[in-house]
Amino acid sequence: QKEVEQDPGPLSVPEGAIVSLNCTYSNSAFQYFMWYRQYSRKGPELLMYTYSSGNKEDGRFTAQVDKSSKYISLFIRDSQPSDSATYLCAMKNNQGGKLIFGQGTELSVKP
Amino acid sequence: DVKVTQSSRYLVKRTGEKVFLECVQDMDHENMFWYRQDPGLGLRLIYFSYDVKMKEKGDIPEGYSVSREKKERFSLILESASTNQTSMYLCASSPVWDQPQHFGDGTRLSIL
Repeated sequence: QKEVEQDPGPLSVPEGAIVSLNCTYSNSAFQYFMWYRQYSRKGPELLMYTYSSGNKEDGRFTAQVDKSSKYISLFIRDSQPSDSATYLCAMKNNQGGKLIFGQGTELSVKP
Repeated sequence: DVKVTQSSRYLVKRTGEKVFLECVQDMDHENMFWYRQDPGLGLRLIYFSYDVKMKEKGDIPEGYSVSREKKERFSLILESASTNQTSMYLCASSPVWDQPQHFGDGTRLSIL
């Protein structure tokens, strides 16, 4: 079993929809949680960074961490065609551990 | 903004060649990383460095080496390139261990 599971999609939604992207994990020691966006032929770009549990909001993006369920989510409100990309979750523990990535979910927002 | 620059976007080399991939960051970050990204396999850590002249093996170091002579520069070396090293190579850096990593735009390397 992988430490981090993420549905690869592809996920296709109409413009303006609310998008929910999710990852589950097995290592209860993970404390740092990140979401990256990767456009085709580009490197991953940091979108959201949270420590431990709770929510964090930045514009149209909201990241949620539920440590009791070992589940993290990224919500995108009022999705735009420019949001079409692959979204990678990533997480690590607080003891110098490596950053562990999900496989990435490919999102397509149709005009 | 953090800037991580990889020297080449696309590179084509022959099997058996020694290949150098260069990465430079401009934010005085302590840590630097090399990953490869393959469809269905995600990002896999090759090597990382937490200080000048220091290096640690990641998950897939075989066939690779690294060099960090200056804080801002981290080089990945393919000692004798093979076709199974055709991949997208990504460099990243972070200021300290518990801060997020910032990535360059990658080098798409083809070994023929």
